[in-house]
Amino acid sequence: DQQVKQNSPSLSVQEGRISILNCDYTNSMFDYFLWYKKYPAEGPTFLISISSIKDKNEDGRFTVFLNKSAKHLSLHIVPSQPGDSAVYFCAASDGGGADGLTFGKGTHLIIQP
Amino acid sequence: NAGVTQTPKFQVLKTGQSMTLQCAQDMNHEYMSWYRQDPGMGLRLIHYSVGAGITDQGEVPNGYNVSRSTTEDFPLRLLSAAPSQTSVYFCASSYSLAGGKETQYFGPGTRLLVL
Repeated sequence: DQQVKQNSPSLSVQEGRISILNCDYTNSMFDYFLWYKKYPAEGPTFLISISSIKDKNEDGRFTVFLNKSAKHLSLHIVPSQPGDSAVYFCAASDGGGADGLTFGKGTHLIIQP
Repeated sequence: NAGVTQTPKFQVLKTGQSMTLQCAQDMNHEYMSWYRQDPGMGLRLIHYSVGAGITDQGEVPNGYNVSRSTTEDFPLRLLSAAPSQTSVYFCASSYSLAGGKETQYFGPGTRLLVL
């Protein structure tokens, strides 16, 4: 049973426009959410995170929104740039222990010129 | 800082062979973990460690052993490789015991093919 779901395997966006990546979760114990970016043949790199006590967190071109009632979060990238083309993983943690992160399957973002 | 390093980058094994995937970090992180990534899947936690001498199982521990004798190193052992263990393996580390709240730093991965 998948606790973190990214229902779009891929997303194509024009350069300069907004990219919106979505993530849903089922475990109500999750209280911390992260987005990781991964290029081919490299390890994931941390992008941005949000605690369940917030509904928005911004870092430059990246904003994460959290809707706890809907168990939904989204990552907005504005404006999208060619270097943003990568696989984006949504991850969640219940934070209560050291059980690591639960990852979604990832969304492959393709930025078209 | 080299960050999180993993060796080898790529390995081919025959069914039944054993091997150790190496992971080291130079950031003095207490928390280290191993994930595997399969095609079309997210990363799944194999084993983790909250400090030297302490390890525990994650979501998919069967077929793997770990030990943590030093803060820096966290090797993953496959005792008898099976084709189902063909995957890309990532090691990660973070500062605190609460591995979820702290940013985890990932190594570049080891691609393993079991024939």
